[in-house]
Amino acid sequence: DTAVSQTPKYLVTQMGNDKSIKCEQNLGHDTMYWYKQDSKKFLKIMFSYNNKELIINETVPNRFSPKSPDKAHLNLHINSLELGDSAVYFCASSQGTSGRVSYEQYFGPGTRLTVT
Amino acid sequence: QQQVKQSPQSLIVQKGGISIINCAYENTAFDYFPWYQQFPGKGPALLIAIRPDVSEKKEGRFTISFNKSAKQFSLHIMDSQPGDSATYFCAASELMNYGGATNKLIFGTGTLLAVQP
Repeated sequence: DTAVSQTPKYLVTQMGNDKSIKCEQNLGHDTMYWYKQDSKKFLKIMFSYNNKELIINETVPNRFSPKSPDKAHLNLHINSLELGDSAVYFCASSQGTSGRVSYEQYFGPGTRLTVT
Repeated sequence: QQQVKQSPQSLIVQKGGISIINCAYENTAFDYFPWYQQFPGKGPALLIAIRPDVSEKKEGRFTISFNKSAKQFSLHIMDSQPGDSATYFCAASELMNYGGATNKLIFGTGTLLAVQP
């Protein structure tokens, strides 16, 4: 069983298009995250959601809009894609409910986005 | 401002040798220090982690050494194997509780480890 899954694995699109990446976790966690890994492999947090509520927004452009329909899913929609958005996007999850808090984060396999 | 500094950028070790990767942090509020291992085309996988109340943690061939006063921590891989060849990331975080807990990981820049047979 895949703990944190993402679709699609690869996404190639043109500048100006809108695209979405989906993430699902079956770990029963309450907190989910989006991270961006650039071409130099640097990992940086973008968003954090706890039980469907946005907790962290790391000065990400408004073109990026996360949505959490339930605590097991976190999607990332990107409008008006730019060349600089090309990267690998990782979803992660952790346990984050009062009384059952864990620091450990588990990452998905990533979505490689290429904007041409 | 890089809050977590990692070195070296790359490392070549002979099979059976010891691989050592170092990290330094600035924010004294950090209270969780994990190491992640990433293979090409895969997501980062949690390898081992430490809290600042202990100076060392060992899991199999992997050991974290932690120096709170120096704000430094390191990963030691004993008896390094070719299968250990990957990129290793240190990270640091502070648990934030806003009614629900979230954990913002600040990553180092990564170390590409190559273990030669």
